[in-house]
Amino acid sequence: GAVVSQHPSWVICKSGTSVKIECRSLDFQATTMFWYRQFPKQSLMLMATSNEGSKATYEQGVEKDKFLINHASLTLSTLTVTSAHPEDSSFYICSAAGTGYGYTFGSGTRLTVV
Amino acid sequence: TQLLEQSPQFLSIQEGENLTVYCNSSSVFSSLQWYRQEPGEGPVLLVTVVTGGEVKKLKRLTFQFGDARKDSSLHITAAQPGDTGLYLCAGEFGSARQLTFGSGTQLTVLP
Repeated sequence: GAVVSQHPSWVICKSGTSVKIECRSLDFQATTMFWYRQFPKQSLMLMATSNEGSKATYEQGVEKDKFLINHASLTLSTLTVTSAHPEDSSFYICSAAGTGYGYTFGSGTRLTVV
Repeated sequence: TQLLEQSPQFLSIQEGENLTVYCNSSSVFSSLQWYRQEPGEGPVLLVTVVTGGEVKKLKRLTFQFGDARKDSSLHITAAQPGDTGLYLCAGEFGSARQLTFGSGTQLTVLP
C-alpha cells in the first residue's frame, strides 16, 4: 500500500530558530500534499495544500511567511517553521494524495519550542 | 467553510459495551472517511463510504452513511481496550481534493 514517511518524528528547538519537517511519498507520486496541525486532544486542522510545482494554498489564519511549504517534486514536500516560538509547539502531520491513491498520512512530527 | 460535527467528544466505557459515534454536516459529502488515531501517530484509515445508505463492516465496527450523504455513524460492538483511541470522521465536498475533519471522539475502553 501507499506509504508516506515523515521526519523527524520529534524535534526540540530554541525560540527564534527555524525547523524543517519533511514528508515523502515512498511508493507513489503525490500530486497534492496537505499539512495539518493538531493540538492535544483536538482534531486535525488543515494549514495548507500544495500541488507539485505550485505555490501552496494556505488556510485562513495561517501565516504563509511563518510556515513555508515547498513541494518541488512529486515525492517530497517540506514544511519549515520559521522563527519558531513556544506557541508553535504542536503535532504536525502531512498527508499525500496522488492519482489513483487516496489520502495517506505521515506519522507526524512533535515540535517543541523552548 | 464546511463544518463537520462529531459527537460525542469524549466517551469512556467498560469493556464489552457497545457504542456509536456520529458525524454530521450541513452539506452533502462526496465521500466520507473514518480514521483512528493513537497518540503520537498519524491517523489510520478505517473505511471510506461514498454511496448514500451504504453500510460497511470491519470486524466489530459497523459504518453507516446516511441516505442524504450528510451524516455517518460508527458503531462498535463489544468494545475492547485495544479500541481506545481518537476516532475522526473526515469528508470531501464537491470535487475538491481536500479532507475536512470532524472534531474527533476520544474513546477510552476500560478493562
